[in-house]
Amino acid sequence: DGGITQSPKYLFRKEGQNVTLSCEQNLNHDAMYWYRQDPGQGLRLIYYSQIVNDFQKGDIAEGYSVSREKKESFPLTVTSAQKNPTAFYLCASSIGGDISGANVLTFGAGSRLTVL
Amino acid sequence: GQNIDQPTEMTATEGAIVQINCTYQTSGFNGLFWYQQHAGEAPTFLSYNVLDGLEEKGRFSSFLSRSKGYSYLLLKELQMKDSASYLCAVRDSNYQLIWGAGTKLIIKP
Repeated sequence: DGGITQSPKYLFRKEGQNVTLSCEQNLNHDAMYWYRQDPGQGLRLIYYSQIVNDFQKGDIAEGYSVSREKKESFPLTVTSAQKNPTAFYLCASSIGGDISGANVLTFGAGSRLTVL
Repeated sequence: GQNIDQPTEMTATEGAIVQINCTYQTSGFNGLFWYQQHAGEAPTFLSYNVLDGLEEKGRFSSFLSRSKGYSYLLLKELQMKDSASYLCAVRDSNYQLIWGAGTKLIIKP
């Protein structure tokens, strides 16, 4: 079955360490996204990519970095510059970056990062 | 600024009907989405409205009034598995999604 796989599901990090969250999709979707979910807040966009080797900053990109070397993969690195990284991170994809029609997002199961 | 408002939490009884409201104030409008998210899991797509009116899909229906900046999700014949958070999101004039904080729905037997 096609879908999005995020790993790890749970991750603990010490302050000052960089961590990378994996996101892989086999839906043949062009567009991929990273969101952060915090209690009591709506999803916030970190980065998105509409095509391989290209990506754009979202609303809260500071302290994060991404790469899109393959269509299937969109890893997110949480760097030590991110002041409050403890959160639930969701990766999503959609058929195209083209915004016509519904352009429904398919989400991964999420990665919960806790900074100790 | 842009804003999406939803009730934080609602409680309903198994077999009953519940309506979850969403009001929005955004820079432009290019569609409204509802997603369901069980605790600790991925959000899944429920419905999409871009024109005024009611969209029905089985036990779930979604309504939109663009002039009022208002939508609701109607869930009928509630089942225990419907206990989840329901997320409202609006696509603005820049085709960016603005998300509400979600409504946690608790179903009691």
